[in-house]
Amino acid sequence: DAMVIQNPRYQVTQFGKPVTLSCSQTLNHNVMYWYQQKSSQAPKLLFHYYDKDFNNEADTPDNFQSRRPNTSFCFLDIRSPGLGDAAMYLCATSTRLVQFFGPGTRLTVL
Amino acid sequence: AQSVTQPDIHITVSEGASLELRCNYSYGATPYLFWYVQSPGQGLQLLLKYFSGDTLVQGIKGFEAEFKRSQSSFNLRKPSVHWSDAAEYFCALLSMDSNYQLIWGAGTKLIIKP
Repeated sequence: DAMVIQNPRYQVTQFGKPVTLSCSQTLNHNVMYWYQQKSSQAPKLLFHYYDKDFNNEADTPDNFQSRRPNTSFCFLDIRSPGLGDAAMYLCATSTRLVQFFGPGTRLTVL
Repeated sequence: AQSVTQPDIHITVSEGASLELRCNYSYGATPYLFWYVQSPGQGLQLLLKYFSGDTLVQGIKGFEAEFKRSQSSFNLRKPSVHWSDAAEYFCALLSMDSNYQLIWGAGTKLIIKP
């Protein structure tokens, strides 16, 4: 089945220790998104790529970076995680009109 | 201003009862509207979408939604809920002005009473 895959599903890191979350897709969609979602809140868009064209939301902290080496893969790098970065991180892909989400990575910061 | 409002933070419904979750939007043009469902600890699953045409939209898992332009609403309904429907439900609007990004409602948590 065509899908959006996120690894790992659960990630524990220490305060200030860099972490990378990964997303892959078999849908061959040209748009990919990274969202942060905190408990009982709507997802908050961090970045999106249209093909390799990178778009950073204005209020995304500098601590967050992203890479998209090819159509299928996208990575979220958190350079120095703080306690406030503990959240669910969701990857999504789209053809522009409809977004399809992966299962998410739950990040815990100790 | 473009916005989506889900007025109910929580809704409690008995198993087997009917359900309606409310969603109101503000948008200057014809809206593209979505309902997503999120089970605890999971990603978001698309239930249904409205782009144009028939204002009553059928989705997965027995859900439907009705687009009412006069009321700026896109309410989600199900005639008989099951315990497995307990989840968070998000209404969203596609903003063509903001590079095709989704504008999200705050979500409604559905609790099912046995």
